[in-house]
Amino acid sequence: DGGITQSPKYLFRKEGQNVTLSCEQNLNHDAMYWYRQDPGQGLRLIYYSQIVNDFQKGDIAEGYSVSREKKESFPLTVTSAQKNPTAFYLCASSRSSGVFYNEQFFGPGTRLTVL
Amino acid sequence: AQSVTQLGSHVSVSEGALVLLRCNYSSSVPPYLFWYVQYPNQGLQLLLKYTSAATLVKGINGFEAEFKKSETSFHLTKPSAHMSDAAEYFCAVSSISSGSARQLTFGSGTQLTVLP
Repeated sequence: DGGITQSPKYLFRKEGQNVTLSCEQNLNHDAMYWYRQDPGQGLRLIYYSQIVNDFQKGDIAEGYSVSREKKESFPLTVTSAQKNPTAFYLCASSRSSGVFYNEQFFGPGTRLTVL
Repeated sequence: AQSVTQLGSHVSVSEGALVLLRCNYSSSVPPYLFWYVQYPNQGLQLLLKYTSAATLVKGINGFEAEFKKSETSFHLTKPSAHMSDAAEYFCAVSSISSGSARQLTFGSGTQLTVLP
């Protein structure tokens, strides 16, 4: 079955540590996205990538970093510079983020808690 | 810039009653509009989408939504609620960023509770 996988499902981090969230898709989608979800605030875009080796900042990129070395993979690193990292993180992908819109498909999410 | 407003962060209905979740959008260009559903601790699943074809859009699980340009609305309805409909629902509008990529702007969500 094609889909998006995120790991781990739950992640605990001590203050001052960097952590990397995994996102893999086998849908052959060009575009991939990372969102942060907080209660009552909907989803906010962190980073997105339209093609391998290219990515752009979203609305709340500070304290986060990404890479896109393979079409299938778009890992997100939450750095120690992110002041309030406890949240639910969602990865998504779509066929293209160009003019002709295609809906985004979402992974199951990773819940990050800072201890 | 595009934006979405979902009226009512919490909606409760009785099982078998009409479900109405409200969404209003703001867009300077013809929008693409979406409704997603999220069950606890899960990702989002697409319910339906409007992409400038028919204004009444039918989706999965008996949901439908009507695009009304004059009211800038895209409300989600279901004639008869089922216990399994209890979830959080998000309305979203597509937007074009400075890089000409279409992004999704989400509303803040509506938590639907279905009472027995």
